[in-house]
Amino acid sequence: GENVEQHPSTLSVQEGDSAVIKCTYSDSASNYFPWYKQELGKRPQLIIDIRSNVGEKKDQRIAVTLNKTAKHFSLHITETQPEDSAVYFCAAAPSGYSTLTFGKGTMLLVSP
Amino acid sequence: SQTIHQWPATLVQPVGSPLSLECTVEGTSNPNLYWYRQAAGRGLQLLFYSVGIGQISSEVPQNLSASRPQDRQFILSSKKLLLSDSGFYLCAWSARTTGNTIYFGEGSWLTVV
Repeated sequence: GENVEQHPSTLSVQEGDSAVIKCTYSDSASNYFPWYKQELGKRPQLIIDIRSNVGEKKDQRIAVTLNKTAKHFSLHITETQPEDSAVYFCAAAPSGYSTLTFGKGTMLLVSP
Repeated sequence: SQTIHQWPATLVQPVGSPLSLECTVEGTSNPNLYWYRQAAGRGLQLLFYSVGIGQISSEVPQNLSASRPQDRQFILSSKKLLLSDSGFYLCAWSARTTGNTIYFGEGSWLTVV
């Protein structure tokens, strides 16, 4: 089955810096890659996603890139703010399956 | 628009007691439904998923069970809770076709004492 590795597990940045979280996947047939943000004590919420026919997608300060050849995708957050502090999960959708395989999460801490 | 409701939000249960968590989805038909568990500070563990009424797939062997009595209703149960069952339980849904976004409910905090 699909396996998703996520790095780093913890990331500390200063406000205004950029943050990058990287994920690799094992199933070359996976075709959908969402990113979720989970604030403390709350549910994970989708922040951005990308499909395998697209190499990059942006939404204001957030961007996701996908390299199908290398089987990795990354979340980029620019001009980080304290409210960006949360746990971020990447995921991959194996072809033909109704489930998502999640990475183990990255705790992002943005210091003022 | 679609909404997902999950209850109760929090509960404290003694070891050996039963459990019932309920989830309903509104605004969509034939959704895929999921139960996830998240231990404190840990990742998202898929427990069960369902592609239709009465169709349940179990991802992890344990003392929990799931049922889908109606198209948009998903129930997580246990006959006898263990201390290790404590955690944050999340119901979720996605559209029936594969490769779609999963949307989570607000979660249920379970503490087994």
